[in-house]
Amino acid sequence: EPEVTQTPSHQVTQMGQEVILRCVPISNHLYFYWYRQILGQKVEFLVSFYNNEISEKSEIFDDQFSVERPDGSNFTLKIRSTKLEDSAMYFCASSQDGSPSYEQYFGPGTRLTVT
Amino acid sequence: RKEVEQDPGPFNVPEGATVAFNCTYSNSASQSFFWYRQDCRKEPKLLMSVYSSGNEDGRFTAQLNRASQYISLLIRDSKLSDSATYLCVVNAHAGKSTFGDGTTLTVKP
Repeated sequence: EPEVTQTPSHQVTQMGQEVILRCVPISNHLYFYWYRQILGQKVEFLVSFYNNEISEKSEIFDDQFSVERPDGSNFTLKIRSTKLEDSAMYFCASSQDGSPSYEQYFGPGTRLTVT
Repeated sequence: RKEVEQDPGPFNVPEGATVAFNCTYSNSASQSFFWYRQDCRKEPKLLMSVYSSGNEDGRFTAQLNRASQYISLLIRDSKLSDSATYLCVVNAHAGKSTFGDGTTLTVKP
């Protein structure tokens, strides 16, 4: 069964450093998403991406964040200057279609620890 | 008011019990509704979509009441493997899923 993959599984970085989280969505999917989950809290939407453009973003997704699809397979989330409060699990997801009724498939997540 | 609100839990039930989870949403323009399951420190996985007519998948039954903006999930004959956090997810429009806080279920022998 096709699946979303994410690397690395765990990233430790120092405050102020840049990090890039990588995702490979399911190959025939067209819509891509990033979510985050702070430990013990709910899953929060960050951004959706379609046709090389951001479709929607939340208030969390400020100027420190950016997304890119640098090639035909990878989808990346960059945090320019990490803060302690960026420590969380980051989930990538993809869906075949952007319609609200379509299931989003989630990757296993990258645990980001900012020290 | 939270966009998606779930029973706070946790629920601790014996094997074989029937358990029901409730969820309400605030955005009347919401279009699609789902229950996801999340195991500890893992990614959310779709359990089932929720339709206005109600739908059933084995021991799991989901109901939607658009007028009351209410969603439910019923699990019959609980198994140990049902222990997880259950997430109510609402899509108001394309590109964004709003998650509830989740309700944790522990099924005990």
